[in-house]
Amino acid sequence: KAGVTQTPRYLIKTRGQQVTLSCSPISGHRSVSWYQQTPGQGLQFLFEYFSETQRNKGNFPGRFSGRQFSNSRSEMNVSTLELGDSALYLCASSLGLTGTATNEKLFFGSGTQLSVL
Amino acid sequence: KNEVEQSPQNLTAQEGEFITINCSYSVGISALHWLQQHPGGGIVSLFMLSSGKKKHGRLIATINIQEKHSSLHITASHPRDSAVYICAVGRTDKLIFGTGTRLQVFP
Repeated sequence: KAGVTQTPRYLIKTRGQQVTLSCSPISGHRSVSWYQQTPGQGLQFLFEYFSETQRNKGNFPGRFSGRQFSNSRSEMNVSTLELGDSALYLCASSLGLTGTATNEKLFFGSGTQLSVL
Repeated sequence: KNEVEQSPQNLTAQEGEFITINCSYSVGISALHWLQQHPGGGIVSLFMLSSGKKKHGRLIATINIQEKHSSLHITASHPRDSAVYICAVGRTDKLIFGTGTRLQVFP
């Protein structure tokens, strides 16, 4: 069974640019959630998609957005990049919503390391 | 005060030692996850707990819902256990993460 695939693995952008990251979940999983990890703030929840609908959103500005397609693949977009957006962006897939007790395990991708110069 | 607190922040051990990592939370939860992150970023899900205790190999995780506390134990620790261990509590709307415990096990 293929794992969670995130592309690209590394990305370098300059301030003001826009970026799109992709996450392909495990086959059959309907939930994809996104997280930002930085040395200072640790792991923070960005948003979660379930069956193509955004179910929850973390405390991030509107420059961070996402979507989920009918095959459960998800993309997240960050517009007007700022230096502080430099981080590891991780996605996770699961059968049910991540916050519930329906998931025995969460499956994380390897992440996209974004550097904003 | 963070909603999820882990202790200790850093832990060093000799191979073979028994290790305990603690997680306390202040919010109502649906589930609690223990995660392991090795250098390079990859995160592996170790356990999901909604009550009681679970064991997998040398790893044991417990949760006390009334006391809002969970522990992760590693028996007979090994250098390959060196990683960051993260507690994450699940609410219906999201996961909230602890800051992690960095474990180093020396041979």
